[in-house]
Amino acid sequence: QKEVEQNSGPLSVPEGAIASLNCTYSDRGSQSFFWYRQYSGKSPELIMFIYSNGDKEDGRFTAQLNKASQYVSLLIRDSQPSDSATYLCAVYTGGFKTIFGAGTRLFVKA
Amino acid sequence: EADIYQTPRYLVIGTGKKITLECSQTMGHDKMYWYQQDPGMELHLIHYSYGVNSTEKGDLSSESTVSRIRTEHFPLTLESARPSHTSQYLCASSIRQGALHEQFFGPGTRLTVL
Repeated sequence: QKEVEQNSGPLSVPEGAIASLNCTYSDRGSQSFFWYRQYSGKSPELIMFIYSNGDKEDGRFTAQLNKASQYVSLLIRDSQPSDSATYLCAVYTGGFKTIFGAGTRLFVKA
Repeated sequence: EADIYQTPRYLVIGTGKKITLECSQTMGHDKMYWYQQDPGMELHLIHYSYGVNSTEKGDLSSESTVSRIRTEHFPLTLESARPSHTSQYLCASSIRQGALHEQFFGPGTRLTVL
């Protein structure tokens, strides 16, 4: 079992729809959780972080964390073609260790 | 402007050459990292540093070496490049603030070894 698991996709949604990206992690001691967006050929850029159970909203993005279920998700409302990218879930487990998932590819169709 | 820089952005070299990939950050971060990422694949940590004169190998076995003589500078060296080293190399830095541990990435170096 991988330490951070994501569905590789591709996840295809129409423009204006809600895109839902999911991530599970194995280390119950994980402290903080991040979503990075990576466009093809580019480096990852941080879009959201969360460390408390519940929801955190930032513009069109909402991160959701459920530590009991070891589950973190990212919702993108009013999806735009420019949101098409790979979304990496990352989990900080302590010390130097941030574990990245392999990412979910999202396509937003115009 | 605080940022993280990598040079060169692209490099094509022949087998057996020695190369150094440069990474510098102006954010004053203590922790720095090198990741390797093949297209469509996950990031693999190859080296990290907690601060000056502190370097450790990451999870992915690598024939590269790193140094951290200055806080802002974290170069990665391949003594003898091979085609298996062809990949994207990403440098990152971070500072821990409470429960957070955000990493900020440089633009990457795409290395091709012929």
